[in-house]
Amino acid sequence: DVVMTQSPLSLPVTLGQPASISCRSSQSLVHSNGNTYLNWYHHRPGQSPRRLIYKVSNRDSGVPDRFSGSGSGTDFTLEITRVEAEDVGIFFCMQGTHWLWTFGQGTKVEI
Amino acid sequence: EVQLVESGGDLVKPGGSLRLSCVVSGLTFSNAKLNWVRQAPGKGLEWVGRINKKVDGGAPSYAAPVSGRFSISRDDSKDTMYLQINSLKTEDTAVYYCTTDDGGSAAYWGRGTRVTVSS
Repeated sequence: DVVMTQSPLSLPVTLGQPASISCRSSQSLVHSNGNTYLNWYHHRPGQSPRRLIYKVSNRDSGVPDRFSGSGSGTDFTLEITRVEAEDVGIFFCMQGTHWLWTFGQGTKVEI
Repeated sequence: EVQLVESGGDLVKPGGSLRLSCVVSGLTFSNAKLNWVRQAPGKGLEWVGRINKKVDGGAPSYAAPVSGRFSISRDDSKDTMYLQINSLKTEDTAVYYCTTDDGGSAAYWGRGTRVTVSS
């Protein structure tokens, strides 16, 4: 199975300041079709996880442009340009390149 | 708006059985490939299995730790996917989520249903 390693696991942030989360995979996430299926999600307790980014850098509809994703191969990053209060919760990465989906441990963002 | 709503979670004794449901709205259910993902207390998310749409054969597939005890099915007439869990173990204690499958990604998730296995 592909192991997804996120860091940091806890991220104290200051409102209005930038934040960055890393996600590394134990194998390349480049699919045989050329796509890289690395996704980022935000999960608040009691709510459904919300997808923010798909295929490394594509922002979902309605996701603020202060969220951006980058990376390639085995090394990926989620960046928030200016943290807002609504960003508290867990951010996690997920790979869908390999048939058995695997997830990062999650990064808890606290203001 | 796409919505997935899980139900059926409960407190069950080891060795017992449970059937979870996931009702989907806001999309054409028969065209949807769907997954089950779980999260045990204090642990990360774990993919449990998926079921293809009927036009692609409708076959389910499972993660190794649950294969043989878990069974995924779907009823397209009810827009519902099911997860039958047999021979429950304490390590099956988790929140179970259903998700869509967009080919390498899960665009939509439900809020989850809690399964607790304890004597």
